[in-house]
Amino acid sequence: QVQLVESGGGVVQPGRSLRLSCAASGFTFRSYGMQWVRQAPGKGLEWVSVIWQDGSVEYNTDSVKGRFTISRDNSKNTLYLQLNSLRAEDTAVYYCARDGGCPGDRCYERLDYWGQGTLVTVSS
Amino acid sequence: DIQMTQSPSSLSASVGDRVTITCRASQGIRNDLVWYQQKPGKAPKRLIYTASSLHSGVPSRFSGSGSGTEFTLTISSLQPEDSATYYCLQHNSYPLTFGPGTKVNIK
Repeated sequence: QVQLVESGGGVVQPGRSLRLSCAASGFTFRSYGMQWVRQAPGKGLEWVSVIWQDGSVEYNTDSVKGRFTISRDNSKNTLYLQLNSLRAEDTAVYYCARDGGCPGDRCYERLDYWGQGTLVTVSS
Repeated sequence: DIQMTQSPSSLSASVGDRVTITCRASQGIRNDLVWYQQKPGKAPKRLIYTASSLHSGVPSRFSGSGSGTEFTLTISSLQPEDSATYYCLQHNSYPLTFGPGTKVNIK
């Protein structure tokens, strides 16, 4: 079965860095794009970043551009999110999600499975 | 960016009631819409994809409809375990955007 397990969250001071990981299993990781979505405490869901299957294309939401970097290692079935220059407003649970895209305009596997999330708290 | 709105923001209904949640997009998104259910402390779970297709294992009391700019999620007979927050997501274009959520309470 599809399993996504995030790790790497914790408490970090403003301006510092953190790297999140998402370990994937139960599917052919290299065949899927991957997404990061976050949720601030008590708030709604916010899309953060996407990376294509082969890592050739990445997009980020404006508020993290120049600070967060998404990457993947298909040999390790692992997705990463490097968080630099962290701010208090980055405090959130960060989820990774699988994205099958829309091959032949068949969008059947868009963000269909999510991990349990990892909490990042930015505080002095 | 495509803005997503949801109504109502919250509702309270009895077991067995029919419940409808509406999601509107600021511009046409074809049927590029997903519905999620999220319970406190848990990750979102996909209910509906491509606006009206039921995700595997999701009870048939959940259904979705719509295309273009207006979409609905319907729970035909509300059950106690349906108490949760429901979100829509448009994946027509980046940045992906979620609706603000609808909290469903059981009377």
